[in-house]
Amino acid sequence: GEDVEQSLFLSVREGDSSVINCTYTDSSSTYLYWYKQEPGAGLQLLTYIFSNMDMKQDQRLTVLLNKKDKHLSLRIADTQTGDSAIYFCAEIPLYGGSQGNLIFGKGTKLSVKP
Amino acid sequence: NAGVTQTPKFQVLKTGQSMTLQCAQDMNHEYMSWYRQDPGMGLRLIHYSVGAGITDQGEVPNGYNVSRSTTEDFPLRLLSAAPSQTSVYFCASSLSETDTQYFGPGTRLTVL
Repeated sequence: GEDVEQSLFLSVREGDSSVINCTYTDSSSTYLYWYKQEPGAGLQLLTYIFSNMDMKQDQRLTVLLNKKDKHLSLRIADTQTGDSAIYFCAEIPLYGGSQGNLIFGKGTKLSVKP
Repeated sequence: NAGVTQTPKFQVLKTGQSMTLQCAQDMNHEYMSWYRQDPGMGLRLIHYSVGAGITDQGEVPNGYNVSRSTTEDFPLRLLSAAPSQTSVYFCASSLSETDTQYFGPGTRLTVL
């Protein structure tokens, strides 16, 4: 079945870049998402990429996709204390038994130290 | 637009009680879904609906019922609450099953 894996923790210093990594197992056609969850809050969509793209940039956020290795990364430039949150990688398989349903990783907790 | 709204924000139940978690969206989205979030488990899909009158099971459907009588509303019913259902519940909606999903603020449920 489909699976999404992420490292559980990441700690960086304010002003540094953060890179959060994710691997997925689904076949070629899928959307891949990054969601942010602040403490006690819901999930906020940060960005998404379709699997036929290599890169997407949106202000401080850069998403890189390595289709061969099924590896996705989220880079946050100039990380701020307000970026401290849990970041979830998720995919939507377009085919197969889980078609149309978001499959989430367990989330990476980003801690930003001043 | 209010987006996706959920009520209540917090709820405490005793084992065996029943209740309904409400979810509504005002974006005319066809696809709606319910997830539960447990520590170290990420989010897991409970039930989903691709349109009014159509529902289907997700990864962890046992102990929950849903219905979709209107496009706007997608309530989640706990028939007989168990401590294992202590969790944070999120509702989400999207234009279709392959479009971006938008999440509500969540309901934190504790079953004693």
